Amino acid sequence: DQQVKQNSPSLSVQEGRISILNCDYTNSMFDYFLWYKKYPAEGPTFLISISSIKDKNEDGRFTVFLNKSAKHLSLHIVPSQPGDSAVYFCAAGVNNAGNMLTFGGGTRLMVKP
Amino acid sequence: EAGVTQSPTHLIKTRGQQATLRCSPISGHTSVYWYQQALGLGLQFLLWYDEGEERNRGNFPPRFSGRQFPNYSSELNVNALELEDSALYLCASSFWNTIYFGEGSWLTVV
Repeated sequence: DQQVKQNSPSLSVQEGRISILNCDYTNSMFDYFLWYKKYPAEGPTFLISISSIKDKNEDGRFTVFLNKSAKHLSLHIVPSQPGDSAVYFCAAGVNNAGNMLTFGGGTRLMVKP
Repeated sequence: EAGVTQSPTHLIKTRGQQATLRCSPISGHTSVYWYQQALGLGLQFLLWYDEGEERNRGNFPPRFSGRQFPNYSSELNVNALELEDSALYLCASSFWNTIYFGEGSWLTVV
């Protein structure tokens, strides 16, 4: 039973355009969410997070949107750059339950110059 | 400030052997997490240690075990290695609700 799903295994975007990566979850206990970026043969790098009390969090080119009623979150990257090409994982956790995150399967983003 | 460090970077073992992977968390972090990323798969939670105690484990057999030392560093041991154990093993430590990963240890079982 996958509690966190990223239904698009890959996404291709032109440089300068917006990249939108999506993530769905089923466990209503999740109350905070994170996005990680991963290059091949490297560990995941934390990008941005959002608590369930918010519906939007912005950090530079990265914005995460949370729709609790739909159990859906998305990561927007504007403008996309070739260096953004990587695998992006969304993750979800429950406060007061340790930081045992449940990860989605990842979406490979390719930004074409 | 140093991030999460892991060793070795690469490890090749034979089926049936034991593998030991090591991790040092970011200074000041007391929790250590271990994740497995098998080829083509997402990150699967393995183990969580906090203040020297195992707090939770994922859906892995008992031959996956570990410990956390008084200095908060951690070891992951995998006994009776099987070919399917070949994966990238990621260690992470946490601050508040954010966990920070190391570069990982590649384990290849032949």
